[in-house]
Amino acid sequence: GNSVTQMEGPVTLSEEAFLTINCTYTATGYPSLFWYVQYPGEGLQLLLKATKADDKGSNKGFEATYRKETTSFHLEKGSVQVSDSAVYFCALYNFNKFYFGSGTKLNVKP
Amino acid sequence: GAVVSQHPSWVICKSGTSVKIECRSLDFQATTMFWYRQFPKQSLMLMATSNEGSKATYEQGVEKDKFLINHASLTLSTLTVTSAHPEDSSFYICSARDGRDRGNQPQHFGDGTRLSIL
Repeated sequence: GNSVTQMEGPVTLSEEAFLTINCTYTATGYPSLFWYVQYPGEGLQLLLKATKADDKGSNKGFEATYRKETTSFHLEKGSVQVSDSAVYFCALYNFNKFYFGSGTKLNVKP
Repeated sequence: GAVVSQHPSWVICKSGTSVKIECRSLDFQATTMFWYRQFPKQSLMLMATSNEGSKATYEQGVEKDKFLINHASLTLSTLTVTSAHPEDSSFYICSARDGRDRGNQPQHFGDGTRLSIL
């Protein structure tokens, strides 16, 4: 079947620290992988995506690489800001359906 | 482009009433729309998929008679929570797929509706 596993949060970092949020998946076929961000009280915003193995998605300093050999799509950012505080969802898209991870809350302290 | 609007953004109502949530694609025709439910501090769970002009397909465990979905046009889908009770309180998010597959994501998400049943 299709499923996504994310590291549990919350993750608390100081400003300018390095961020990694782990995401692994199981899937049949050839899924696309996404990271979405959700700010309090809001819907989902696309952060980045990768559609095939070895693709790297990047946006606003965040990046993630589609690793088929390890079935992973870890999110990274070199220097986080307070404004990055939000909940991050890893998602798999396969056969016209999204499968979301449980979400990881990131708190960035000044 | 590819904007999805949900209305209302927040609704509070008494137990036993029915609540309708609208999902509109503002600048594209949505051949398919999706309804998700998000419990506090949890992930999104797909409730149902609706195709314009046909009956919605519900995921396992979702009550069809409780959550009525109508997709009467290519730009509008509605979710009606019938005889709502406090356990129906949640954050409901819709998404829509552009029939011409434009944009950088397969589904475009609305901003969600927070439903609180007293």
